[in-house]
Amino acid sequence: QVQLQESGPGLVKPSGTLSLTCAVSGGSISSTTWWSWVRQPPGRGLECIGEVFHNGETNYNPSLKSRLSISVDKSSNHFSLRLRSVTAADTAVYYCARQGAARFSSGWRLWGRGTLVTVSS
Amino acid sequence: SYVLTQPPSVSVAPAKTARITCGGDNVGSKSVHWYQQKPGQAPVLVIYYNSDRPSGIPERFSGSNSGNTATLTISWVEAGDEADYYCQVWDGSGDLWVFGGGTKLTVL
Repeated sequence: QVQLQESGPGLVKPSGTLSLTCAVSGGSISSTTWWSWVRQPPGRGLECIGEVFHNGETNYNPSLKSRLSISVDKSSNHFSLRLRSVTAADTAVYYCARQGAARFSSGWRLWGRGTLVTVSS
Repeated sequence: SYVLTQPPSVSVAPAKTARITCGGDNVGSKSVHWYQQKPGQAPVLVIYYNSDRPSGIPERFSGSNSGNTATLTISWVEAGDEADYYCQVWDGSGDLWVFGGGTKLTVL
């Protein structure tokens, strides 16, 4: 079955760039669905960061839009997140997820296990 | 931006019924999804499209959505249901998925 796996540095310096990749295995990232990034600061709730369609179309959280880039790499079957100029407030567990086939009514059944990224010098 | 409001915590005795609310402006016109998250784990979808259950989710979990409130109901609560629960909707005006702040369910 399809699985998602986040990867990337667990520690990023303040003002640096946070870069994460979500590898899709057991299926194709070119399937007709949206792919999402969600984060969860320690002890807090879930926040949707943004999403990307297989054709590269994106939607970003307005609060992060000026620092954010999400892209799809079909050749490597993964999608990526880049968040620039990070601060301690960006410390969180970052999850990738696949949206359902019926975009607004399916819910998100598939999630990665999450990866903790700490912003600290 | 669209805001979903959940109570921070709900407590219930075993075998009783827990109800977790998710408030939002005319949320009844939207499709609400509910997720369960246990410590150290990724969220798990328990209700989608207001009241449908994914395969593998017990019938004890149900949902409703009307007016300004969506509700997740867990009947015959078990110790294993203790978790954080989040509601989610699509905010079409902002082109963004929105989560509620989460509710911690404690089984007494």
